Amino acid sequence: RKEVEQDPGPFNVPEGATVAFNCTYSNSASQSFFWYRQDCRKEPKLLMSVYSSGNEDGRFTAQLNRASQYISLLIRDSKLSDSATYLCVVNDRGGGYQKVTFGTGTKLQVIP
Amino acid sequence: GAGVSQSPRYKVAKRGQDVALRCDPISGHVSLFWYQQALGQGPEFLTYFQNEAQLDKSGLPSDRFFAERPEGSVSTLKIQRTQQEDSAVYLCASSLVELIANTGELFFGEGSRLTVL
Repeated sequence: RKEVEQDPGPFNVPEGATVAFNCTYSNSASQSFFWYRQDCRKEPKLLMSVYSSGNEDGRFTAQLNRASQYISLLIRDSKLSDSATYLCVVNDRGGGYQKVTFGTGTKLQVIP
Repeated sequence: GAGVSQSPRYKVAKRGQDVALRCDPISGHVSLFWYQQALGQGPEFLTYFQNEAQLDKSGLPSDRFFAERPEGSVSTLKIQRTQQEDSAVYLCASSLVELIANTGELFFGEGSRLTVL
């Protein structure tokens, strides 16, 4: 089983739709969680951190469920420019150093 | 430049050749990661440096892969006797802090795309 799992999609949604992605992680001791965005043939960039209480940044809402070991990303009022791959990222600490693990990514295509 | 710089951007190697990929992180960044990204996949962890110390190399797929960061700044990923399965984009990322839990942000370079024929 992979440490961080995501549905690869693609998710094809019309402009203005609401779309949600989930991600599950295997290490119950994982400490920090993030969503990164990667445009086609570009490098990943941080979209937002995920806090235990849930957090929102404009049209984007991230949630963490430690009991079930999953995180989610909700995008409201989808824009064409939201088309990208969304990567779930988990940070573990062990042996005094950190390990940053990426999921396989979920591809989103917003269509006009 | 102000960002993470990687070179070469594109490399074509014949099977069996050795390659060296360079990463120039953001000045002052303590943490440096190497990832391998195959087409349609997420970045797979290769190795992690904190300054010049290689603290985790558990992701290196074989002993043909070697990474170094001798002065705690520039890093080189070397692949010996390249195989076709080594074809991928190799991404370097750096972070100002030792533990990204504090800021959450890794800054990535544009990657080195390796094709092994």
